[in-house]
Amino acid sequence: GAGVSQSPSNKVTEKGKDVELRCDPISGHTALYWYRQSLGQGLEFLIYFQGNSAPDKSGLPSDRFSAERTGGSVSTLTIQRTQQEDSAVYLCASSLSGPNEKLFFGSGTQLSVL
Amino acid sequence: GESVGLHLPTLSVQEGDNSIINCAYSNSASDYFIWYKQESGKGPQFIIDIRSNMDKRQGQRVTVLLNKTVKHLSLQIAATQPGDSAVYFCAENYGGATNKLIFGTGTLLAVQP
Repeated sequence: GAGVSQSPSNKVTEKGKDVELRCDPISGHTALYWYRQSLGQGLEFLIYFQGNSAPDKSGLPSDRFSAERTGGSVSTLTIQRTQQEDSAVYLCASSLSGPNEKLFFGSGTQLSVL
Repeated sequence: GESVGLHLPTLSVQEGDNSIINCAYSNSASDYFIWYKQESGKGPQFIIDIRSNMDKRQGQRVTVLLNKTVKHLSLQIAATQPGDSAVYFCAENYGGATNKLIFGTGTLLAVQP
């Protein structure tokens, strides 16, 4: 596609429910990243994929958070048993091949946990 | 965590003036740096990048300066326009296999007409 696409753009859920957030990176980009941005704050790194493997998942805040990538393309970020503190914008980015390259970001998924 | 991010540092400039946004980075081993612009409701948009073997790089109306001695990065915007109003983030790459960009907390640039 022309850019990084994320869905849904907005998600409202109840505390305790599971949610799945989807990211379609730019076609041909092998590296994919998930970041989280809380209101008025900077971006917090969550996980990095190179192809289908995740060499760095050090930013995942708890074991309720998981992510996978299939076919070297689409990625899904899953949050189980959501908590109110999970409310944030979840941003996905991709880059062509990996280290020392600019990241292209999607518009994010605004997650609200009630 | 703390909610200090709710009060972003703000730079207010007049239209047509030059803007300088500063950033202190944390890791002396970082070898790649990027500036992003984020408008309300959108994802960050790439502005300019610089590698650690350089100390200055120019783009269209923007210049990035890198001072590795004091771990300082700055973004200069010439002839600031209302469309430049946004939050600006610097990011550093810790390098290695992980290619993890670490972002600063951001600066809000407000351009007064």
